[in-house]
Amino acid sequence: GQNIDQPTEMTATEGAIVQINCTYQTSGFNGLFWYQQHAGEAPTFLSYNVLDGLEEKGRFSSFLSRSKGYSYLLLKELQMKDSASYLCAVGDSNYQLIWGAGTKLIIKP
Amino acid sequence: GAVVSQHPSWVICKSGTSVKIECRSLDFQATTMFWYRQFPKQSLMLMATSNEGSKATYEQGVEKDKFLINHASLTLSTLTVTSAHPEDSSFYICSAQTGGWTEAFFGQGTRLTVV
Repeated sequence: GQNIDQPTEMTATEGAIVQINCTYQTSGFNGLFWYQQHAGEAPTFLSYNVLDGLEEKGRFSSFLSRSKGYSYLLLKELQMKDSASYLCAVGDSNYQLIWGAGTKLIIKP
Repeated sequence: GAVVSQHPSWVICKSGTSVKIECRSLDFQATTMFWYRQFPKQSLMLMATSNEGSKATYEQGVEKDKFLINHASLTLSTLTVTSAHPEDSSFYICSAQTGGWTEAFFGQGTRLTVV
């Protein structure tokens, strides 16, 4: 079956760095997405990785290792507004997004 | 980025009535749109894939006669929840993809409460 695992909840301090991990097992692979979702709102796109390595975009970076079925989202210089759920999603062989349950990130002052 | 507009943002309806949710791609043509449902503290669950001009493809366990999907044009897909019940109360989100596979664009979501 298809499965995406990510931690349910993480807590970090304002100004610090946090890494959210995602492991996946899917039928085929057509890229991995990270989305941010604030409560009661639709997800917003953060990053897309299809090749191995690190993609950096401002305070956010995303890493992918296809051989390990592993990705992480790295958030630097955390701000209170970063408190949200972070969703990992993988495109399978049918280009259908398979979603993880999301990681709720709590930022403390 | 591309814009997807979903309407209404929230709706309260009586049990037994029907509710229609619209999803429009404003500045691009979306041959495929996806409808998701999300219960509190849970992940997005794909309900169906909507293809312009053809019947929607429903995920296992989703009643196609209860959740009617119409994708009449390249910019509009609608989801109608028929004979709504309180257990249908949820957050419904649509998304659309352009021809390329780089991003799924989401509508704002619709909070449905059935009383």
